[in-house]
Parts: sequence; C-alpha cells; structure tokens
Amino acid sequence: DGGITQSPKYLFRKEGQNVTLSCEQNLNHDAMYWYRQDPGQGLRLIYYSQIVNDFQKGDIAEGYSVSREKKESFPLTVTSAQKNPTAFYLCASSSRQGDRGNEQFFGPGTRLTVL
Amino acid sequence: GNSVTQMEGPVTLSEEAFLTINCTYTATGYPSLFWYVQYPGEGLQLLLKATKADDKGSNKGFEATYRKETTSFHLEKGSVQVSDSAVYFCALSDYTGRRALTFGSGTRLQVQP
Repeated sequence: DGGITQSPKYLFRKEGQNVTLSCEQNLNHDAMYWYRQDPGQGLRLIYYSQIVNDFQKGDIAEGYSVSREKKESFPLTVTSAQKNPTAFYLCASSSRQGDRGNEQFFGPGTRLTVL
Repeated sequence: GNSVTQMEGPVTLSEEAFLTINCTYTATGYPSLFWYVQYPGEGLQLLLKATKADDKGSNKGFEATYRKETTSFHLEKGSVQVSDSAVYFCALSDYTGRRALTFGSGTRLQVQP
C-alpha cells in the first residue's frame, strides 16, 4: 500500500536534547512538508521541500532542521534551540505536477513531549 | 498573505441534525480550497476539495461550494452521524511559490446519539 509513515508515534525528550522525527513516503511524490499542530490550533508550516537536495523554511522554522537526501525521506530534527517543542508533528507529501487540485497526503503524526 | 478563518467550536449536534461549519479565506490569486478531517490521535485525511469558483466538492454526504464573491467554502452535511465526530480543517493552497497549505484553526464536531 502506498502512503506516508512517521516514527515514532510518541517521543519523549529531555530538555537540551536534539531529537529526529522520521518521515518516509512511497507515493513517488516530489514535495514533502512538515507541520506543527498545537492544541486548538491549526497546522503551521515548519519546512518544506519540493525536490531532492533542496528545502525551504516555512513560517516557524526556528529551532528545527531538515534534510532531503532521498526522494522518499524527509527527517525533521527538533533542536535544543526550539523553546517550546511539545506538540504534534505531521508530515505530508504531494505531487508537483501542474494539477491545481493536488492534495497533500498526511502521515499519522508524531507526538513529542519534552520532560 | 493568505489566511483561513473557521467558526470556533466545539459544535455539538444530535444525530441526524444538519451541519454547517463556516470557512472564509483571504488569498492572492485563485486558490484551491480543501476540507480535511482529523480523528483523535491521527493525521489528516482529505474530505473534499474545489479548485475554481462555483465548484462543489462532495464526499461521504459532506458538501462545500467555492464562493469567490463571498470568499467562502462552508462545509455542510444534511444528517450527521456519531461517526462524524472529529476535527474539521478548512485549508487553501494558492499554488504559487511553496505550494504549502494554509489552515484554519479547526472546528471540533461532537455528535451525540
């Protein structure tokens, strides 16, 4: 089955630690995205990548880093510089073909808690 | 910049009631509009979409019409079920630059039997 997988489902981090969230897709999509979701709020864009070896900052990139070495993988690192990292993190992907109706497909999410 | 405004929740309805969740947007150009649904502890699933003015998206009994004149994309369902209880997000994509989605804050729907 094609889809997006994220791991782990739950992650606990001590203050001052860096952690990396995994996102893998087998949909052959060029574009991948990371969003952050806080309780009662919509999703906010952290980073996005429209092609391998290229990525751009979103609206709330401070304290996060990403890489895009393979088409199917887009890991997110939450660094110790992120002041309030406790949140639900969602990865998404989409085709970059010209269709205006291209939807984004979402993974199941990773819930990160800072202890 | 782009923005999406949704009615605040929670919205609590009895089974078989009529549902409306309001959504209005601000965007440059001609965005595509989406409704996503999120069940507890899960990611988002696309519910329906519309890519141009006057388009109607529909799925699983839900409908929404792209109204350019009122910049709205309200979600409706004629008869809700307990299984429809979830959080609903309105979103837009303007297909320029980053092509990411801009989301509303979400509306929680609770359907009581």
